[in-house]
Amino acid sequence: KAGVTQTPRYLIKTRGQQVTLSCSPISGHRSVSWYQQTPGQGLQFLFEYFSETQRNKGNFPGRFSGRQFSNSRSEMNVSTLELGDSALYLCASSLGSGQGQETQYFGPGTRLLVL
Amino acid sequence: GNSVTQMEGPVTLSEEAFLTINCTYTATGYPSLFWYVQYPGEGLQLLLKATKADDKGSNKGFEATYRKETTSFHLEKGSVQVSDSAVYFCALRDRGSTLGRLYFGRGTQLTVWP
Repeated sequence: KAGVTQTPRYLIKTRGQQVTLSCSPISGHRSVSWYQQTPGQGLQFLFEYFSETQRNKGNFPGRFSGRQFSNSRSEMNVSTLELGDSALYLCASSLGSGQGQETQYFGPGTRLLVL
Repeated sequence: GNSVTQMEGPVTLSEEAFLTINCTYTATGYPSLFWYVQYPGEGLQLLLKATKADDKGSNKGFEATYRKETTSFHLEKGSVQVSDSAVYFCALRDRGSTLGRLYFGRGTQLTVWP
């Protein structure tokens, strides 16, 4: 079974631009979560989607948004990029949240550099 | 609330040495516990997990036991290899919640020298 895939793997943008990152979960997984990883803040939770609905959101400004499609693929969007948005963005999928379904499997990440 | 505390790194060991990385947690509910490993330039890989008290997760020679009485999930390996050099993250997920987020520790960098 293919793992979680993320595209693109690397991205360079300038301040003020916007960016869209894509995540394809493991086949059959309906829950997708996004995390931001930086050296200073570590791994921070952005949001979680399940069956096209955002179930949970972390403490990030409204410039960060996401969505999930009917095939469980997910995108996240960051508008008006700031230098501090430079990070590794990780997507994780799981079957669901019930007992035995909660293990999250991560993709390789998208490394975003904002200049 | 939910939180995870890991021992500060970096940890530097010689090959075949014994490894312990301490992890303690605070949880409002009854969590599942995980160890993830991140190699340079890659995403996180699930190393092992435990879903209830006294469960022992194990994989690739690594072990961790879910200790509810001490709220701990320490990672151990009897004999490390150079290829184990990576960053290790302890994480929890609240099983009592329908919300799927993981709470991570800050990570522990392990370097193993030949």
